[in-house]
This record gives sequence, structure tokens and C-alpha cells, in this order.
Amino acid sequence: GAGVSQSPSNKVTEKGKDVELRCDPISGHTALYWYRQRLGQGLEFLIYFQGNSAPDKSGLPSDRFSAERTGESVSTLTIQRTQQEDSAVYLCASSLMGDSSAQPQHFGDGTRLSIL
Amino acid sequence: QKEVEQDPGPLSVPEGAIVSLNCTYSNSAFQYFMWYRQYSRKGPELLMYTYSSGNKEDGRFTAQVDKSSKYISLFIRDSQPSDSATYLCAMKAAGNKLTFGGGTRVLVKP
Repeated sequence: GAGVSQSPSNKVTEKGKDVELRCDPISGHTALYWYRQRLGQGLEFLIYFQGNSAPDKSGLPSDRFSAERTGESVSTLTIQRTQQEDSAVYLCASSLMGDSSAQPQHFGDGTRLSIL
Repeated sequence: QKEVEQDPGPLSVPEGAIVSLNCTYSNSAFQYFMWYRQYSRKGPELLMYTYSSGNKEDGRFTAQVDKSSKYISLFIRDSQPSDSATYLCAMKAAGNKLTFGGGTRVLVKP
């Protein structure tokens, strides 16, 4: 597809379970980003990938959160032992290049995560 | 205090009016300034992307950046009901991550 693709679009799970969220960036985009958007709020940065390395993980809220990326393609964000405060929309973005470049970031439609 | 402040609204205007949105920020390292539009249950869509102070126009949209005042604006002329959405300002320093305002909800009434 032409845009950033995220799956699943919705996920409901019980507190304490692990979840995996997937992001397919725009083809050719080497930089990939994860953000979190709580209800009625702006986006919070979580992690940035350049290729398959993550030079900036400063936004990950706890060690329950981790992410990986294979090559310059798919990324997965994993949340272990989910808590109710993890309920949010998780958004993925990609850009042609990252770091100090001026390339704009393009977003997917997100995964809406609800923890019961 | 948040790095980027944005009035949450809602901002209600009649169709055809000019919509005026703004954000203030505190970090003088921000160099790149963006406006995104977000419809309900959708991801943010990039509207405008500017670097440095000044104006940029694209169709009905005009973005203004005043670095000396740490203030950015977005104007939407001839507003349409389809412009009803949440508008997010975002900023970037030399690094990689975007810092967002909280978003302003806009409602354009027919």
C-alpha cells in the first residue's frame, strides 16, 4: 500500500496480558517512529528506528515496553504485563530519513488498545 | 509546563469563516514546524511543514512561524464542514522526534 499500515486496528485485552502491535512503513522509508496518544491528548514520542537500530528509546515509559524492527521494514511494539494506564492509541510514522533531516513524518491510523 | 501549548477548544465557526489556530512553545531549539489534521479514529495527516520564521501558503491554508515570539499559527480560509477535525501542531529540533501540542478541536457548522 501507499501509506503506513498498522495492525490490528483495535485490540482489547485483559490486564496482565502481553500485546504485540505491528507497523508496516511506507516502502523506502528508512526511519520509523512509535507514538502514543491518550484520549483527548496530543501524541507522545516512544521510540525511533533508523534502519533496524533504535538510537532513541527515550520515550518508552517502562521496561514493559519494547520494540524491534527487521531490516528497513516491519516494526513490532510489545507491551508486557499490560496495565490499564496502557490504554491508548499507538501510532506509527515513517519518513525517508530520520535524525537531523527535514523529512516529514507520515502516520498510520494507529492501533486502539483497551486494557480491561 | 508543557513544551508546546495549544488551546483544546472546541472552536466552532460558521461555514465560510476563517479558522485561526495557534501554538506557543518554550524550546528555542525547535527548527521545523508542522500542522497535522486528525479525523476521528484516524491517524494525523500532514497539512503544512515549515522551517524558520515566515509565512507559507498552500491553497486555503496559511502557516505562520514567529520564532522570536515562539508562536506558530495556522489559518484556514473559506472553511468547510469537511474541515471539522482536530488540528495538532508539532515541532522538531535537530533530532528525530516530534513534540506535539494537545490539539484543537474545530467544528465548522453548515
